[in-house]
Amino acid sequence: LAKTTQPISMDSYEGQEVNITCSHNNIATNDYITWYQQFPSQGPRFIIQGYKTKVTNEVASLFIPADRKSSTLSLPRVSLSDTAVYYCLVGDLASYKLIFGSGTRLLVRP
Amino acid sequence: DADVTQTPRNRITKTGKRIMLECSQTKGHDRMYWYRQDPGLGLRLIYYSFDVKDINKGEISDGYSVSRQAQAKFSLSLESAIPNQTALYFCATSDPTGGQSDTQYFGPGTRLTVL
Repeated sequence: LAKTTQPISMDSYEGQEVNITCSHNNIATNDYITWYQQFPSQGPRFIIQGYKTKVTNEVASLFIPADRKSSTLSLPRVSLSDTAVYYCLVGDLASYKLIFGSGTRLLVRP
Repeated sequence: DADVTQTPRNRITKTGKRIMLECSQTKGHDRMYWYRQDPGLGLRLIYYSFDVKDINKGEISDGYSVSRQAQAKFSLSLESAIPNQTALYFCATSDPTGGQSDTQYFGPGTRLTVL
């Protein structure tokens, strides 16, 4: 399983776009990149997943360069309720062994 | 996720006591998992089960046991609780069908304190 590296914390303000980058230099051919969000005292929640290029859903966008050694989660126009920890995970489609690192703690200020 | 419930939500116990944490799901998923989370850290996998007859150890199974009573129920037991098992425990389910990834759905967590 590829190891991931993310910033420990990030600060932003309401209405700004936030980009969180994750490094995964040893990503394997079959691996997908998945992001989870966790609020205090709650279980993680799936946000988005991708394999290459760009994926967008109603919550976020995920940008993956051609070499796939990194990925960027983009949260458009964040609000206070986006304050949470964001985890980047890498694994194949049947990867049941999710490896959670320490994640990125995002603080959105008024 | 309301489809995955955990009981109790909070529990304080003493060293040496046997504790059972319960997880139920209405998602109809075959796969179920137990994780623990320590303050400021990510989740670590304790046990997982792919169906009623399948139980597997995760990365930190020592001191824990599990029971998969039915597709919908997966219990975690601490046979003799110790203080370093104080943590937040999460149950999760997944259903990797149709070529989709194995997205996991987590319960609300159980906060366990061992004195």
